[in-house]
Amino acid sequence: NAGVTQTPKFQVLKTGQSMTLQCAQDMNHNSMYWYRQDPGMGLRLIYYSASEGTTDKGEVPNGYNVSRLNKREFSLRLESAAPSQTSVYFCASSAGPFNEKLFFGSGTQLSVL
Amino acid sequence: GENVEQHPSTLSVQEGDSAVIKCTYSDSASNYFPWYKQELGKRPQLIIDIRSNVGEKKDQRIAVTLNKTAKHFSLHITETQPEDSAVYFCAARSYNNNDMRFGAGTRLTVKP
Repeated sequence: NAGVTQTPKFQVLKTGQSMTLQCAQDMNHNSMYWYRQDPGMGLRLIYYSASEGTTDKGEVPNGYNVSRLNKREFSLRLESAAPSQTSVYFCASSAGPFNEKLFFGSGTQLSVL
Repeated sequence: GENVEQHPSTLSVQEGDSAVIKCTYSDSASNYFPWYKQELGKRPQLIIDIRSNVGEKKDQRIAVTLNKTAKHFSLHITETQPEDSAVYFCAARSYNNNDMRFGAGTRLTVKP
């Protein structure tokens, strides 16, 4: 049972490049999330998907897009990377309402030069 | 949306002492309050959570208390051990939506 798997683990981009972070969960969870973690700022929600077919903005959505491809997969796309997007990105999932425990992936360390 | 504030940002205690971390939230519709522990280089993991219909919850050396009127909740760790050293995050979720908002984190250091 792998839980939440995200790829890649590390990535270096140049300003203006694009990339997609992939996330998949095998726990049949309804809800999936993307967070970014910056020193001293905790975990900030970028986007979330309460259920398959729906996505909503979190607190810091600018510069990102997401796709809930199916129940298992939730991807995060940076269309034109900026140095301010240098961060550690975590994908997470939860079963849904009344079972909100978050299971996190191992994180992606992204540097934008 | 929900805003969660967490204090202190760093906390250093001697092994065996107690540690208390406090959080406040802004949305009166919030009804679920988890605490996550993140060890260096690892992913956050849930250690304890509480719902708005409960005032206190304990699990061995850790406990969480909730004051709905004042909109604050706290994590209490007793008999601290060096392996408790980590960053702790509080979070809050509103029943109006499904997003989970986190505090900025507290770096706890337990000195042997």
